[in-house]
Amino acid sequence: AQSVTQPDIHITVSEGASLELRCNYSYGATPYLFWYVQSPGQGLQLLLKYFSGDTLVQGIKGFEAEFKRSQSSFNLRKPSVHWSDAAEYFCAVGAGDYKLSFGAGTTVTVRA
Amino acid sequence: NAGVTQTPKFQVLKTGQSMTLQCAQDMNHEYMSWYRQDPGMGLRLIHYSVGAGITDQGEVPNGYNVSRSTTEDFPLRLLSAAPSQTSVYFCASSPSFSPNQPQHFGDGTRLSIL
Repeated sequence: AQSVTQPDIHITVSEGASLELRCNYSYGATPYLFWYVQSPGQGLQLLLKYFSGDTLVQGIKGFEAEFKRSQSSFNLRKPSVHWSDAAEYFCAVGAGDYKLSFGAGTTVTVRA
Repeated sequence: NAGVTQTPKFQVLKTGQSMTLQCAQDMNHEYMSWYRQDPGMGLRLIHYSVGAGITDQGEVPNGYNVSRSTTEDFPLRLLSAAPSQTSVYFCASSPSFSPNQPQHFGDGTRLSIL
């Protein structure tokens, strides 16, 4: 079965600084990979996805992620964060068994 | 365009009570799922359905039942609530379970079991 690890529980970043959130997955074949964002009291919104092709994918709100098969990673990045990026971020992996597995999440705090 | 609608938004139950969490989508999606979200554990899949009349267990199905009599609705039943089921529950749907069709999430139901 697939699994996802997000090593960082909480990250604090200054507004305007760059952000990188780590995600490592475990799956035997090429997985489907997703990043979701959750604002307080809301459901999850898809930021970006990867399942084949170019390993650098662009998403909404200025986010991008890079798939590295050799490292089993799918890290999320943003060059310059805005106060509105404060939220919880989830990495997820899907396989062919109709199940989507989520990481534990990383909470991002943005300081002025 | 309502998307995925979950009701109620908040609920408090006593141990042993039963309850049904409602989930409806108006996008004609075949795939629907239920997750529970607990601090430090992310979202864990409870049950899912790939179409009307078809359901299957996810990662944490114990204590929960589901049915899918229509494409639109996917209710989650707690037969005898326990404090361990205190959580935030999310319903999600997608046209099918494939990588180019991400899941649409409802706003969640916050459930407390006393």
